[in-house]
Amino acid sequence: DIQMTQSPSTLSASVGDRVTITCRASQTIYSWLAWFQHKSGKAPKLLIYKASNLDSGVPSRFSGSGSGTEFTLTISSLQPDDVATYYCQQYDLYPRTFGRGTKVEIK
Amino acid sequence: QVQLQQWGAGLLKPSETLSLTCAVSGGSFSSYYWSWIRQPPGKELEWIAEVDHSGTIIYNPSLKSRATISLDTSNNHFSLKLTSVTAADTAVYFCATPKGFYPYLDLWGQGTLVTVSS
Repeated sequence: DIQMTQSPSTLSASVGDRVTITCRASQTIYSWLAWFQHKSGKAPKLLIYKASNLDSGVPSRFSGSGSGTEFTLTISSLQPDDVATYYCQQYDLYPRTFGRGTKVEIK
Repeated sequence: QVQLQQWGAGLLKPSETLSLTCAVSGGSFSSYYWSWIRQPPGKELEWIAEVDHSGTIIYNPSLKSRATISLDTSNNHFSLKLTSVTAADTAVYFCATPKGFYPYLDLWGQGTLVTVSS
């Protein structure tokens, strides 16, 4: 199975800060990577697909980059509504696998 | 607004069979595939299985043949059964699907907490 290593596990930042989350795959997944935002009790929400493509309706402060084994999700200006847990997921090979998540909090 | 509605028993005893169903509401679309994913308490998301539009099914080998996914195209819903459950199967179970013919999941259900306890 492809292991997805996400860091940090928890992140505390101030409103307006630039925030970066990293996801590393145990082998190349080319650009077959998605990022999700999950708020407790709600359905996970797709933010980014194919590593760097913003899903429809997602605020432009979110961006994704990377290819191969190293990927990042960046929030350019953290907002209170961004408090959530963020997951990366590879969809190159089966079984599909996820990172362990990054919990983002407001300082 | 199109949504996935999911339902099923939330409390099971060890050795019983988990049964969950997921259906599209608020619209219709042709999806590439339909999938189930779960999240045990304090752990990461675990992909369980998917069935594509042609009926091809792929399971996570970690479930050791206990899982069965099925698709009912006439009623636009899909289901998951997991036999011989144990406490390790306690998790929030999500159904998810792409809203079109592409490989990433852009529509998720809200999740069903399934607890296995004697």
